[in-house]
Amino acid sequence: AQSVTQLDSQVPVFEEAPVELRCNYSSSVSVYLFWYVQYPNQGLQLLLKYLSGSTLVKGINGFEAEFNKSQTSFHLRKPSVHISDTAEYFCAVSEKGGSEKLVFGKGTKLTVNP
Amino acid sequence: NAGVMQNPRHLVRRRGQEARLRCSPMKGHSHVYWYRQLPEEGLKFMVYLQKENIIDESGMPKERFSAEFPKEGPSILRIQQVVRGDSAAYFCASSPQGRAYEQYFGPGTRLTVT
Repeated sequence: AQSVTQLDSQVPVFEEAPVELRCNYSSSVSVYLFWYVQYPNQGLQLLLKYLSGSTLVKGINGFEAEFNKSQTSFHLRKPSVHISDTAEYFCAVSEKGGSEKLVFGKGTKLTVNP
Repeated sequence: NAGVMQNPRHLVRRRGQEARLRCSPMKGHSHVYWYRQLPEEGLKFMVYLQKENIIDESGMPKERFSAEFPKEGPSILRIQQVVRGDSAAYFCASSPQGRAYEQYFGPGTRLTVT
């Protein structure tokens, strides 16, 4: 079984500052990795995904994430955040070649202050 | 190309009533997943369906909950005899055949049990 730990439940930052949202996972098999964003009262939007290949993955809205197999991490980064990035961010995994269900972390609420 | 549609967006039921949540996948998508988001929690997988088949229902509560995805029409998540603990946001996602890692989420149905 897989599990996902998002180490910070809340991250406040100032506008134009860099941000890193941390995600660690546990799995006995190879996994796909995802980051989703949820704006208030909305569904989830896929930011980026790691399936295979290059460990640095670029997504939408200037976000990127790096897969580190030895540390079982998939941290999300953005060099300069905007007020509009205020939202909740979810890291998720799914088992390669297995059940296609996503296993989510509990989320990190990012608040960007002016 | 319309995204995943869910209705109703908000649903209020009294304890003991039935709740029916509907999900229309994106055009061309043949896989549907249901997830539940409880307050202060991440999303939890409930069930994975293809047309006329339940593939994985390992996340479904054993009683009162059922799901279907008929040959024609939307997928339905049914909750019988609702209780206060069923109050949550229920999200549906869909994916194309052969690319289950590409799950696109709907806006969710927020169920409130009074």
